[in-house]
Amino acid sequence: QVQLVESGGVVVHPGGSQRLSCAPSGFTLRSYGMHWVRQAPGKGLEWVAVIGYDGNNINYVDSVRGRFTISRDISKNTLFLQLNSVRAEDAGLYFCARGSTSAAHNFDWWGHGSLVTVSS
Amino acid sequence: SFVLTQPPSVSVAPGATARITCGGNNIGSKSVHWYQQKPGQAPVLIISYDSDRRSGIPERFSGSNSGNTATLTISSVEAGDEADYHCQVWNFGSAHPYVFGNGTKVTVL
Repeated sequence: QVQLVESGGVVVHPGGSQRLSCAPSGFTLRSYGMHWVRQAPGKGLEWVAVIGYDGNNINYVDSVRGRFTISRDISKNTLFLQLNSVRAEDAGLYFCARGSTSAAHNFDWWGHGSLVTVSS
Repeated sequence: SFVLTQPPSVSVAPGATARITCGGNNIGSKSVHWYQQKPGQAPVLIISYDSDRRSGIPERFSGSNSGNTATLTISSVEAGDEADYHCQVWNFGSAHPYVFGNGTKVTVL
């Protein structure tokens, strides 16, 4: 059974840093590209970052490029998102999502999300 | 970047048909995927490639895509279908490759 379990909610100061984690079960990160998708309160979904199945092909939405870093630890089968220089507009629910292996470029399994609150 | 436009809300009576649109420039040339997100839950992929229902998704859910509009249709709507529905495309070659619509809240009256 595929599951994605994210780390708990966090409070980050503006300009601060925090690392989110996502631990999949039922599959290995070696076989799938993985994504982070976020949702601001009351808003729609916004794709944030991707890391390819081979650990390459990393990409970010422009608004976080240079501030956020996606990575993974294969030995722990864990996905990470490092948030630096956090802004108020980064607040929201951060989902990790598995990229499908088909050419569909969609997201076939999602975690329940980590809530990022930005507050001074 | 590619923009997907969805109506903020759709209201439908139980047993009726709900149609949720997703508009985009020549979206018919792309594959559209649909996600259902119930309150407090993670999104769930329900339709891929415009109209392919995921295993376990009722036949009441169907999709189509042509021209500038993709449509998710929910027939014989049930109370349990009340949720937010998001469309998504892959915009090949773009700096913003994964694009979502703003989501549509379906309310069952």
